Amino acid sequence: GENVEQHPSTLSVQEGDSAVIKCTYSDSASNYFPWYKQELGKGPQLIIDIRSNVGEKKDQRIAVTLNKTAKHFSLHITETQPEDSAVYFCAASTSGTYKYIFGTGTRLKVLA
Amino acid sequence: EPEVTQTPSHQVTQMGQEVILRCVPISNHLYFYWYRQILGQKVEFLVSFYNNEISEKSEIFDDQFSVERPDGSNFTLKIRSTKLEDSAMYFCASTKDRGHLLINTDTQYFGPGTRLTVL
Repeated sequence: GENVEQHPSTLSVQEGDSAVIKCTYSDSASNYFPWYKQELGKGPQLIIDIRSNVGEKKDQRIAVTLNKTAKHFSLHITETQPEDSAVYFCAASTSGTYKYIFGTGTRLKVLA
Repeated sequence: EPEVTQTPSHQVTQMGQEVILRCVPISNHLYFYWYRQILGQKVEFLVSFYNNEISEKSEIFDDQFSVERPDGSNFTLKIRSTKLEDSAMYFCASTKDRGHLLINTDTQYFGPGTRLTVL
């Protein structure tokens, strides 16, 4: 069935360094890939998304890359700050369905 | 900024009891969803709802589950007879539209979740 794998499960970086989180999806028909950030006690909040007709998208310190051939996509956070500390989820969705298939999440800790 | 809200934040119930989890989607949104997350596991899709009908559901969403939009603002998830394995965080989400037919273009906005504990 459809599956999204996410790595690493935890990631610690020094403030100012970059963080990279990787996801792999199984359904080649997936065409929309959102990334969510979840802070303690809050619901997942969208931070960036990418559609299958582009290979890269950037929004200030956050970027996402997509490799359709390899069926993987990655989140890149540059110049990390303590407030970037949270759990990050990737997800994949396919047109014609309503559901998101989520990865298992990555707990990012930015050390001051 | 409009938000999806959920109540209660934490619900404790005895096995076999019925629970109703409540959500208020963003006001001009038309598509509604429930997901759950068992502790330490993935966020899993349960059901989507549009125009007073279930549009898609997962294998998790069996006869013990039901959804309803009882009025113009609330969207509820009912579990008829809770089991221990129903203990999880339940998230409601909504979207304004489904977007283009060929590619999903509308983001799902999530609520803060309800933690359900079944004893």
